[in-house]
Amino acid sequence: GNSVTQMEGPVTLSEEAFLTINCTYTATGYPSLFWYVQYPGEGLQLLLKATKADDKGSNKGFEATYRKETTSFHLEKGSVQVSDSAVYFCALSEEMNYGGSQGNLIFGKGTKLSVKP
Amino acid sequence: DADVTQTPRNRITKTGKRIMLECSQTKGHDRMYWYRQDPGLGLRLIYYSFDVKDINKGEISDGYSVSRQAQAKFSLSLESAIPNQTALYFCATSDFRGIGEQFFGPGTRLTVL
Repeated sequence: GNSVTQMEGPVTLSEEAFLTINCTYTATGYPSLFWYVQYPGEGLQLLLKATKADDKGSNKGFEATYRKETTSFHLEKGSVQVSDSAVYFCALSEEMNYGGSQGNLIFGKGTKLSVKP
Repeated sequence: DADVTQTPRNRITKTGKRIMLECSQTKGHDRMYWYRQDPGLGLRLIYYSFDVKDINKGEISDGYSVSRQAQAKFSLSLESAIPNQTALYFCATSDFRGIGEQFFGPGTRLTVL
């Protein structure tokens, strides 16, 4: 079945450090890929997305590239801030067997990021 | 105003009690979902509904039931709450015309004593 594996946390970085959170997936068909962020005490918010191979999603200085050959969608940011402290979830959208529409999201287990001043 | 709202935001209840969590959305989406979040386990799907007459079990539906009262409302019930149902519960919506992106409510923190 479809699955998402992301690096386990927690990850602790100093402000302005470079961030990478690894995410790999297993899926049939052509899933869309997402990164969600959950700030303390809040629900999940979409951070960025990509719908096909070689697409690069970007938002708020974060980037991730859809790599079909390595089945990966790693999240990167060049210079993290204290306000980036949150839990990050990688997810894929299952392709339905009929009609080509997208179905449910499959989530990784989340990676907690703490950024120290 | 929030597009996806959940009530209550926090609830403490006792073992054996029936409890209902409610979700409403103003996004006009046809699809709605209920998830449970536990530390270290990510999000797990409880139930999902692709329209008012289409309700499906997710990964962990045992001990839960749902009702889709209207396109905009999707309720989750615990018929007889037990302590291991203590968790953070999220409602989400999506548009069938989209790429699968889901929009989440703020969550309900449920504690079963």
